[in-house]
Amino acid sequence: DAGITQSPRHKVTETGTPVTLRCHQTENHRYMYWYRQDPGHGLRLIHYSYGVKDTDKGEVSDGYSVSRSKTEDFLLTLESATSSQTSVYFCAISGSTSGRHEQYFGPGTRLTVT
Amino acid sequence: SQQGEEDPQALSIQEGENATMNCSYKTSINNLQWYRQNSGRGLVHLILIRSNEREKHSGRLRVTLDTSKKSSSLLITASRAADTASYFCATDDGPTSGSRLTFGEGTQLTVNP
Repeated sequence: DAGITQSPRHKVTETGTPVTLRCHQTENHRYMYWYRQDPGHGLRLIHYSYGVKDTDKGEVSDGYSVSRSKTEDFLLTLESATSSQTSVYFCAISGSTSGRHEQYFGPGTRLTVT
Repeated sequence: SQQGEEDPQALSIQEGENATMNCSYKTSINNLQWYRQNSGRGLVHLILIRSNEREKHSGRLRVTLDTSKKSSSLLITASRAADTASYFCATDDGPTSGSRLTFGEGTQLTVNP
């Protein structure tokens, strides 16, 4: 988890409310990712960023938006939370040097939507 | 859809035994990676094997890759209770993937003392 923090670590919110999760890195890595992890589905990519203000959709992007205004911060927003978005959310980073693309993960945010 | 599929879904062994986990994938890859996740924690990168490599070692870990069969295996030798975790394979599909990885659903390994 070194160099990557996520906030908050736990959150309970009500259906219909907006929620923003923050990922912060101190590694100056170019790539940042948001995943969700649910039983029976492994990790699924929500959105990713390949540079400041450069983002793209992943496998399960509906209902989520992201922003990256600085290299170190990648924000995930649920505009109107639904119960199906109850999950554990992981941020990851990659320096992508030498084409290796291994990723380093944050500690996760457990989100419950009631 | 998931690119990698791990087998078995769960594995229980005694300390000192070897653990083997398998991963199959569908499309061509640039490299394949294995990650470990301890309960309640983020994933930790273990090892990466490129598509032109057949075998790689790192400590007690041995990874093989067979691109003709689109499969990989992770062997943990002389397992310890601390190896208890979920293990995931992930495929890097190359330049067009935008440095994205596709993860399988994982194998839950339990090492009994």
